[in-house]
Amino acid sequence: EAGVTQFPSHSVIEKGQTVTLRCDPISGHDNLYWYRRVMGKEIKFLLHFVKESKQDESGMPNNRFLAERTGGTYSTLKVQPAELEDSGVYFCASSPGYAHSDTQYFGPGTRLTVL
Amino acid sequence: DQQVKQNSPSLSVQEGRISILNCDYTNSMFDYFLWYKKYPAEGPTFLISISSIKDKNEDGRFTVFLNKSAKHLSLHIVPSQPGDSAVYFCAATEEYGNKLVFGAGTILRVKS
Repeated sequence: EAGVTQFPSHSVIEKGQTVTLRCDPISGHDNLYWYRRVMGKEIKFLLHFVKESKQDESGMPNNRFLAERTGGTYSTLKVQPAELEDSGVYFCASSPGYAHSDTQYFGPGTRLTVL
Repeated sequence: DQQVKQNSPSLSVQEGRISILNCDYTNSMFDYFLWYKKYPAEGPTFLISISSIKDKNEDGRFTVFLNKSAKHLSLHIVPSQPGDSAVYFCAATEEYGNKLVFGAGTILRVKS
């Protein structure tokens, strides 16, 4: 069974540009999460999808970030316009069930560098 | 305000000895705790978890201890192996919610 995949693995852009990150969850997983780790600090929650609906977006830093999950399959996270402080590693995770104890399986992450 | 804290940025242990990684939390609503392990250029991998109704959970070489009154948990690895060298993240979640709240991680180096 394929794990969570993310594309691209690395992205280097200039301040003010737009970047779109993609996440493909494990097949059949209704729950999809985005997290971010900045400068080697803690991994921070961004948002949670259940199928195509946003269940919790309390971690989204501001309106420059837009997440979508059309059709309840893959998800995209767009940053527009990117700022220097958006640099970091963006992780996607998925889980099959709805219990808070369900294991979240993480992808390898996308390293975003904003110059 | 960091709700989950791992106060040791790094730990170095000799192969075969015990590794003890610590984690403190402040949110009394947390009721489920997890440890994830992360190798460079990979995503975090689930290692072991514990519910707040327990004080110990064991899986092979890995044991997690929970002290609710102290709001403290620890991960014990016995015996430590060089392949255990990685970053270990402590995480927690509330009963009515799915988001994981992570600590900053502890780099474990197991020397052979």
